[in-house]
Amino acid sequence: GDSVTQTEGLVTLTEGLPVMLNCTYQTIYSNPFLFWYVQHLNESPRLLLKSFTDNKRTEHQGFHATLHKSSSSFHLQKSSAQLSDSALYYCALGRNNNNAPRFGAGTKLSVKP
Amino acid sequence: NSKVIQTPRYLVKGQGQKAKMRCIPEKGHPVVFWYQQNKNNEFKFLINFQNQEVLQQIDMTEKRFSAECPSNSPCSLEIQSSEAGDSALYLCASSLQGLSQNTLYFGAGTRLSVL
Repeated sequence: GDSVTQTEGLVTLTEGLPVMLNCTYQTIYSNPFLFWYVQHLNESPRLLLKSFTDNKRTEHQGFHATLHKSSSSFHLQKSSAQLSDSALYYCALGRNNNNAPRFGAGTKLSVKP
Repeated sequence: NSKVIQTPRYLVKGQGQKAKMRCIPEKGHPVVFWYQQNKNNEFKFLINFQNQEVLQQIDMTEKRFSAECPSNSPCSLEIQSSEAGDSALYLCASSLQGLSQNTLYFGAGTRLSVL
């Protein structure tokens, strides 16, 4: 079945440094949809960005990600971390069917002053 | 603020008791999902509905949970006999279509504690 791997459980950064959160996936489906959801403390998860186009950069709120089907990756990046970026980040995989999106285990990003 | 409304926010039950939580999806969203977020913050899919019909559910849900999404009423998820391992945040989400390519809109969750 489908799977999503987020290798880092916790990423701790100093404010101003670049952010990169890893996401790789496995699916037999040739046209997957990849998502990043963000969940701040005591809030509900919300969509940060999503993509289904190979090799096209998607941006939102200073974050960006590019779906690379050749490497089955959808890493989340930001050039300069802010204190307010501290949150849980989830990568998720969707298909063009009724199966529920598959979520990765999540990465906790902690940005320090 | 989320337009998916979940009640109650907190639920405390003893082992063996029933635990029921409700969800009102965002207006116009026919598809509802239930996820369990455990203490390690991992998401486990439980069940989803399109209108009143079950689209998909996991084995655990089929055996120990009952869920429904009646027309013109909130959706509900009920654990028939709570276990300690059921302590978690239960998240309801809705979307415009059943296809998993669509964005999920989450509620604030119901935090269940089983003593």
